[in-house]
Amino acid sequence: DTGVSQDPRHKITKRGQNVTFRCDPISEHNRLYWYRQTLGQGPEFLTYFQNEAQLEKSRLLSDRFSAERPKGSFSTLEIQRTEQGDSAMYLCASNGLSRLSGANVLTFGAGSRLTVL
Amino acid sequence: AQRVTQPEKLLSVFKGAPVELKCNYSYSGSPELFWYVQYSRQRLQLLLRHISRESIKGFTADLNKGETSFHLKKPFAQEEDSAMYYCALNNAGNMLTFGGGTRLMVKP
Repeated sequence: DTGVSQDPRHKITKRGQNVTFRCDPISEHNRLYWYRQTLGQGPEFLTYFQNEAQLEKSRLLSDRFSAERPKGSFSTLEIQRTEQGDSAMYLCASNGLSRLSGANVLTFGAGSRLTVL
Repeated sequence: AQRVTQPEKLLSVFKGAPVELKCNYSYSGSPELFWYVQYSRQRLQLLLRHISRESIKGFTADLNKGETSFHLKKPFAQEEDSAMYYCALNNAGNMLTFGGGTRLMVKP
């Protein structure tokens, strides 16, 4: 287990198409988070899961967005009818003990970059 | 509402100079604050958190509740410190609110 994995790393799509991103968290982490980062901004929280339960959703998550974590392991984030404003880096993170301090902190994946033409 | 502000988009210093990256927050409760760093072509990673009161790579940050600040400091900058730095506030359950980030450039 080398950390949080995201796939695909890059996705270019036409406006109106659906896209799906996958996140595989660190295996022993029970919490999984999705963030979105647009150019020149910090990451913005979208949603998070504890095991398979989606516990919180941001107002940024419109009804075109849906996230699942069916078995409490990997998660998917689907965007339907993409718009140009959806172009961003979609970051996944999982929550567990840090090797730095032993504290409960987020470990981020490399992200999935979406470009909507 | 909780908010994190990093007033400087870019901070450029020479190697060996002191560095201070500013972070101000607004939060009604007892804040839990972090600094995350992203080096070129690498993923976002934790640098330090205020509760631990640790020094990582020579960086320290002190929480000042009176000024609602959590500035990141290093006495002598190194070229390898060049990166994007994000201040973040834990709303609860690790739903972090991030600042807009500061790009630190350390010139030789």
